[in-house]
Amino acid sequence: SYELTQPPSVSVSPGQTARITCSGDALPKQYAYWYQQKPGQAPVLVIYKDSERPSGIPERFSGSSSGTTVTLTISGVQAEDEADYYCQSADSSGTHGVFGGGTKLTVL
Amino acid sequence: EVQLVESGGGLVQPGGSLRLSCAASGFTFSSYWMHWVRQAPGKGLVWVSRINSDGSSTSYADSVKGRFTISRDNAKNTLYLQMNSLRAEDTAVYYCARDLEGGSTHFDYWGQGTLVTVSS
Repeated sequence: SYELTQPPSVSVSPGQTARITCSGDALPKQYAYWYQQKPGQAPVLVIYKDSERPSGIPERFSGSSSGTTVTLTISGVQAEDEADYYCQSADSSGTHGVFGGGTKLTVL
Repeated sequence: EVQLVESGGGLVQPGGSLRLSCAASGFTFSSYWMHWVRQAPGKGLVWVSRINSDGSSTSYADSVKGRFTISRDNAKNTLYLQMNSLRAEDTAVYYCARDLEGGSTHFDYWGQGTLVTVSS
């Protein structure tokens, strides 16, 4: 089955830039989406179609894509950004959703 | 305001059945594809199933295919997940989520989830 690979954890100091990567063979053909999940809460969409930001999401969140890797970048990280981040895409048929394993962002 | 409220979770024995519901409001439910996504305790998100806007087309993750059935009642603005032959590994919080683009496997709104525990 298709897999998306993320690092388990990323740590940054407040004000620094956090980069979370996600790798998958189908990413050149399928868009990636990023969700933020804080403890005890439902996920929230923060990036769609690789690099688009939904309304209400701060500008410090951005996304990019290069080949089989997509990257979520959080510039000027704030304490409130501490959360789990999941990349998500579809399999090659486009009919089954696939999530990465998640990355825990720790703000030191 | 878009709202999705899940219900129906609880404790069930292995091999048992449970039906989850998701009540939708704040949008034209009948125009949107819908999904179920689950999350085992302390684990990541896993896509489970999706259904198109009129209920005529469905798809499932391999792990639940043949055991789970997704359905909807557009007159009641409600999404369902019938879960049969439950296993311990089905223990999770189950979220309903609205499809972002229509016919995709991406989500813009999520409910708060309902916990299903499969244990003897």
